[in-house]
Amino acid sequence: DADVTQTPRNRITKTGKRIMLECSQTKGHDRMYWYRQDPGLGLRLIYYSFDVKDINKGEISDGYSVSRQAQAKFSLSLESAIPNQTALYFCATSEGGQNIQYFGAGTRLSVL
Amino acid sequence: SQKIEQNSEALNIQEGKTATLTCNYTNYSPAYLQWYRQDPGRGPVFLLLIRENEKEKRKERLKVTFDTTLKQSLFHITASQPADSATYLCALDLIGDYKLSFGAGTTVTVRA
Repeated sequence: DADVTQTPRNRITKTGKRIMLECSQTKGHDRMYWYRQDPGLGLRLIYYSFDVKDINKGEISDGYSVSRQAQAKFSLSLESAIPNQTALYFCATSEGGQNIQYFGAGTRLSVL
Repeated sequence: SQKIEQNSEALNIQEGKTATLTCNYTNYSPAYLQWYRQDPGRGPVFLLLIRENEKEKRKERLKVTFDTTLKQSLFHITASQPADSATYLCALDLIGDYKLSFGAGTTVTVRA
């Protein structure tokens, strides 16, 4: 089983719908991250959390919200999806001073 | 503003040759730099980390150099194989930040 699991793997939704992407991990790491990846732009940080009570905005948090339900679970929500949120979304975890990150397989989201 | 640039064009090489990828950065003073591999439809996977006081790091057929004066890292794949075909991402970790900033990646294709 994967150490970092994202669900769903693929999702198609309509403009204005609320959608939640889920991430769970079995690595026991405190730090969790949500990124989006667009062609030619690389990975951009949406939100990150260093423990259950610590939530921080990344560089592109507008239009997104997150919930850290437990050490192992970190969910990303799009309150009212819009087409330019069509992208590949990744969850990652890390620990330790070197901050090596472990990624899930990604969620491919299409907003029509 | 902070910026990370990788080879903008895809790299196509013959099996057995050495692939050299470049990662340049501006306005950073990173404690270390990381390289990840990403296959289509998958999340990035950590390959190597090099610290600011290290000039070179090796792992099997991979070699990374880090020149903090030039603000550049080079990533070499020696004796390349078709299985090395992937996108390679560099990432910087600001000191004490526990956030990674990623380059857009360089796609490498190794021809048999």
